[in-house]
Amino acid sequence: DAKTTQPTSMDCAEGRAANLPCNHSTISGNEYVYWYRQIHSQGPQYIIHGLKNNETNEMASLIITEDRKSSTLILPHATLRDTAVYYCIPFQGGSEKLVFGKGTKLTVNP
Amino acid sequence: DAGITQSPRYKITETGRQVTLMCHQTWSHSYMFWYRQDLGHGLRLIYYSAAADITDKGEVPDGYVVSRSKTENFPLTLESATRSQTSVYFCASSEGLASQETQYFGPGTRLLVL
Repeated sequence: DAKTTQPTSMDCAEGRAANLPCNHSTISGNEYVYWYRQIHSQGPQYIIHGLKNNETNEMASLIITEDRKSSTLILPHATLRDTAVYYCIPFQGGSEKLVFGKGTKLTVNP
Repeated sequence: DAGITQSPRYKITETGRQVTLMCHQTWSHSYMFWYRQDLGHGLRLIYYSAAADITDKGEVPDGYVVSRSKTENFPLTLESATRSQTSVYFCASSEGLASQETQYFGPGTRLLVL
């Protein structure tokens, strides 16, 4: 499994964009980059995933570098409800588990 | 409502007791998973199941038993609870294990073993 490096914590002002980086320099060619988040006392929630191309959905955008060694999750207009721990997870499929690291604790401030 | 549910949401038990945590999903997903979450360890996989009557161990299976007689249910049993099994338990499901299969998680069961 590819290892990831994420900042331990980040702060963001409400209404501003939150940019969460992730390094995954050992990611293999067939591993997707998944992002989940976990709001306090809740189960992990899927956000977005991608392989090579940038992706966008109703929750966030995902920017993957051309060499695929890093990615950035963008929450375009962060709200207080986006305060959570965000996990970047390379996932190949065919393996039986998602490997959750320590993640980044994002705090959105009013 | 469709989704994945867990019961009970909170449980207090005593050392040596048997306790069963329930997980139910309405999507007819093939795969189901049990994770535990402890401070300092993140989420760790206990057991998973690829289909009814097919189960396999994850990274921390000791002290746990699972069964999957029906696709929609995946109960986790602690046969003789220990204090080290105090944790938050999450159930998850996914359609399959292809590269783009997303795992969806339940709300969790908070278990305290005294």
